[in-house]
This record gives sequence, C-alpha cells and structure tokens, in this order.
Amino acid sequence: AAGVIQSPRHLIKEKRETATLKCYPIPRHDTVYWYQQGPGQDPQFLISFYEKMQSDKGSIPDRFSAQQFSDYHSELNMSSLELGDSALYFCASSFTGTQMNNEQFFGPGTRLTVL
Amino acid sequence: AQSVTQLDSHVSVSEGTPVLLRCNYSSSYSPSLFWYVQHPNKGLQLLLKYTSAATLVKGINGFEAEFKKSETSFHLTKPSAHMSDAAEYFCVVSDRGVKTIFGAGTRLFVKA
Repeated sequence: AAGVIQSPRHLIKEKRETATLKCYPIPRHDTVYWYQQGPGQDPQFLISFYEKMQSDKGSIPDRFSAQQFSDYHSELNMSSLELGDSALYFCASSFTGTQMNNEQFFGPGTRLTVL
Repeated sequence: AQSVTQLDSHVSVSEGTPVLLRCNYSSSYSPSLFWYVQHPNKGLQLLLKYTSAATLVKGINGFEAEFKKSETSFHLTKPSAHMSDAAEYFCVVSDRGVKTIFGAGTRLFVKA
C-alpha cells in the first residue's frame, strides 16, 4: 500500500539559508500535518491543512510557511535557518472527509541539519 | 484545552514480563486517542487507536489499551515484553481530527 512520501530524506543547510521540504500524502487523503522533532524530543505539531486550507496552527515559527497544493501535496518552506532548526520533520496525512479523528499516517521524515 | 501526560519518561522491564505504559489525558470534547511507537532513527508507527467504539482496544504486536473515561486514562499494556519492543512510545490525543497533541514519550527498555 502507498505510504506518505517525504523528500528529501536528508538535507544539510547552512545558517541563514532556505529549505523546502515536500510531503506527498497517501492517495485520497485530504489532510496533511507537519511536525518537528528535535533530538530526544517528542514531535511538536507545526501546522495542518485540510482541503488545501490551513486547518490548525501550532508552534510554527514566523520564518516558516507551508501550503497544500491542488494535488494535496504540501511543502514546508523554512527561511533564515538557525542551528536550532536542526530536527526531524515529519509529515502525516489522514482522510478526514466527514469523519473526524481518523488516524494519521506518518512519513519517514526529513532530517534537516543546519550547520 | 487538551493535554496528554505520559507518567513515566522511562520504563524498564525484563523480557517476558508485562509492560505498562501510562497515559492520562484531558480534552474538552470526546477525544480520539492513539499510541504510536518510534524505533531509533525511524518514523512513527501506529500501534492502536480509540475513537469512541470499544473501550478496550487491541493493536499490533500484542499491545492493547483501555480507555477509562472516569480516570481520563489510556494506558498501554502488553502481557509479555519482547526485545524488539524496545523503543519510544507516544500517547497522542486528537481533538476532532484537527488539533493533535503528543505526550512527551516513554522510552521502553527491555532486558534480556
């Protein structure tokens, strides 16, 4: 079965650079979530999109932005990168439709290292 | 407001003995509750979920959890631990599928 795809899997950037992470949800899933997991930390919710509209916002820095496109894939744009942005970034997708609280399927994550 | 508290940051058991990972939650609505497992350098895998159906939920790899509304708990159990169960476990509460809160995680160690 198809899973959530994230690209790239690994990314190395320098301070003040920009990074773009991509997420391709499971086909027919209409909701995408982004999480940040720092070393030894639990995943922190950043932002989510339902049917291409932002549905909820968590602890996402102002330097970050995200969107969901017409094909439901999502991109997380990170600017002015800081050392503290080094983390594992997870994308998850779910089918919300008319039913709430469906499980989220997680991608393998993108490991971002900021030097 | 919703929150989730995993009562133990670390749990250590011997192989073949029972596992108990504790989770308490608070939610303004009828929540959905999940347990995810994360092995080192791996993604998150769903173990089981509660979505207002049966209060005793059976998951993969022999894990199960019981939703107790009166105690606002959703503890994860397994009758007999296996070495491969050593991982980080996250209790997650989801409010109407929009806001999702992770617990701080419990690292399970399994001794031979």
